[in-house]
Amino acid sequence: AQSVTQLDSQVPVFEEAPVELRCNYSSSVSVYLFWYVQYPNQGLQLLLKYLSGSTLVKGINGFEAEFNKSQTSFHLRKPSVHISDTAEYFCAVSDRPAGTALIFGKGTTLSVSS
Amino acid sequence: EAGVAQSPRYKIIEKRQSVAFWCNPISGHATLYWYQQILGQGPKLLIQFQNNGVVDDSQLPKDRFSAERLKGVDSTLKIQPAKLEDSAVYLCASSLVGDEQFFGPGTRLTVL
Repeated sequence: AQSVTQLDSQVPVFEEAPVELRCNYSSSVSVYLFWYVQYPNQGLQLLLKYLSGSTLVKGINGFEAEFNKSQTSFHLRKPSVHISDTAEYFCAVSDRPAGTALIFGKGTTLSVSS
Repeated sequence: EAGVAQSPRYKIIEKRQSVAFWCNPISGHATLYWYQQILGQGPKLLIQFQNNGVVDDSQLPKDRFSAERLKGVDSTLKIQPAKLEDSAVYLCASSLVGDEQFFGPGTRLTVL
């Protein structure tokens, strides 16, 4: 069965600093990867997804992620964070591009302070 | 376009009581999912519907949990009787067939 490991449960950073949230997945023949963000008391919102093609994926709010097959990783990055980026971030994997249940990691809490 | 609606947003019950959650998906979305998110963990799928048929309920604790989507639109998830370990946020998501999932705000259940 597929699984996802988010290596950091909490990441504190200062405003305007760069950030990387790490995600590793279990290897599979076909893998599709997603990052979701969850603001307090809200549902999950899709940040970006890797289905195929370029390994560097750009998403909303200035986030990007790089698919690394050899290291089975899909780390999320942002060059300069804002206070408003404070939220919970979830990495997820699926064995299909869409339309099937996602398997989520445990989440990483990003806390941005001034 | 209206998003996925869920109610209630919060619910507190005592163990062994029953509880029901309601979800109204985005109009036209044939696929509906219920996830359970326990504090400190990622969401875990409980059940997936396509229209009013069940696609996957392999992780639904069927001795106490039930879900239905009778008319292929809104859905209810029921727990009867509730246990302490059922305290969690219950998320509903919907999608067009084979497309991105959109999540509702969730129902936070506390079982005392």
